[in-house]
Amino acid sequence: GAGVSQSPRYKVAKRGQDVALRCDPISGHVSLFWYQQALGQGPEFLTYFQNEAQLDKSGLPSDRFFAERPEGSVSTLKIQRTQQEDSAVYLCASSLVGGLANYGYTFGSGTRLTVV
Amino acid sequence: AQKITQTQPGMFVQEKEAVTLDCTYDTSDQSYGLFWYKQPSSGEMIFLIYQGSYDEQNATEGRYSLNFQKARKSANLVISASQLGDSAMYFCAMRESNAGNMLTFGGGTRLMVKP
Repeated sequence: GAGVSQSPRYKVAKRGQDVALRCDPISGHVSLFWYQQALGQGPEFLTYFQNEAQLDKSGLPSDRFFAERPEGSVSTLKIQRTQQEDSAVYLCASSLVGGLANYGYTFGSGTRLTVV
Repeated sequence: AQKITQTQPGMFVQEKEAVTLDCTYDTSDQSYGLFWYKQPSSGEMIFLIYQGSYDEQNATEGRYSLNFQKARKSANLVISASQLGDSAMYFCAMRESNAGNMLTFGGGTRLMVKP
């Protein structure tokens, strides 16, 4: 597609429920990133893939968070046993080249997760 | 210490006027990159402009320019001839060479353009 596509656009989960957030990057983009953006704040890095390899997961806040990109294209961010503090917008971004090019990433519109 | 500081939570500007959004950063790396992104109410992050730490000249992209003052560790965004469509959140971000491929973002500035 023309841009980075994320689904669902909105997700309401009951506390303790597992959720899966999907990211379809731009076709052919090597790098894929996940960020978490709490209300009124800037995005915070979660994890980074180069093709199917997860090269950096230092930003994942707990072992309840898991991300995968098995075929080097679509990525899924899974959150187990959701808690209220997980409520945020989850942004996915992709980049044509490996690592961070000087033109930055192309971001998706995000998935807004609300845990009730 | 905050890596990226944006001290203006909100700014108003009159349509067609210029506005400066402040950003200061903190790093001990010699090689780093600075970015500005726009986030409209629809939520996507739109890349605006990039400045490398070794770039001699200030970056410019259309109506956007980056006032890079390395000694002061500031990277202010200047928007000339503001338009109503410029109303959005603006984020300054940094990539440090020793921090892998992650971007560190500031808290953002909400810009509101008045007709």
